[in-house]
Amino acid sequence: NAGVMQNPRHLVRRRGQEARLRCSPMKGHSHVYWYRQLPEEGLKFMVYLQKENIIDESGMPKERFSAEFPKEGPSILRIQQVVRGDSAAYFCASAGDASNYGYTFGSGTRLTVV
Amino acid sequence: AQTVTQSQPEMSVQEAETVTLSCTYDTSESDYYLFWYKQPPSRQMILVIRQEAYKQQNATENRFSVNFQKAAKSFSLKISDSQLGDAAMYFCAYRRSNTGTASKLTFGTGTRLQVTL
Repeated sequence: NAGVMQNPRHLVRRRGQEARLRCSPMKGHSHVYWYRQLPEEGLKFMVYLQKENIIDESGMPKERFSAEFPKEGPSILRIQQVVRGDSAAYFCASAGDASNYGYTFGSGTRLTVV
Repeated sequence: AQTVTQSQPEMSVQEAETVTLSCTYDTSESDYYLFWYKQPPSRQMILVIRQEAYKQQNATENRFSVNFQKAAKSFSLKISDSQLGDAAMYFCAYRRSNTGTASKLTFGTGTRLQVTL
């Protein structure tokens, strides 16, 4: 079990382009969480998904950001028309149905908008 | 809404000494979990220790232990016999008790720990 896999590790986009961040949860985990970490700050919750459903998107910006977790394949965090302020590290975490533990985090994707 | 506060942006400790990182939180829930995560320069988030609110006994993991004061809503992390590899950002986090679907983590702003020779 390779843990939570995120790719790419680093992503550079020009302003106005689209960014797609991928997260494959641990085997057997059906809950996925996305967090954003701005430089020198803590992790901020963005969205919580369970297979094919968005459970809580209270931390997602209203525009340009979307997330999905299809029945097959990884979870995708999509940022359209990126701006410099989107530059951050984006972390994915996964958990099982009966998880009473802290989640397992991926290594993050560092997005740089130039 | 739940909030987590870490009032120490930076701390320093000498190798082999003991250091305590502070964390307070605010919640109206009675059942919840508290965590300390370590984030080294590699950026990987590593779970250090966790505490269930219904347990009075403080959690311990090798050199890491917590002082959980439920009434005061305080959850400090003590690192004993500090090692150079302990240098990292440390984040305190809160989560509501599992109510059937796993709920989100709320993080503090972190404490950067330096370990000196």
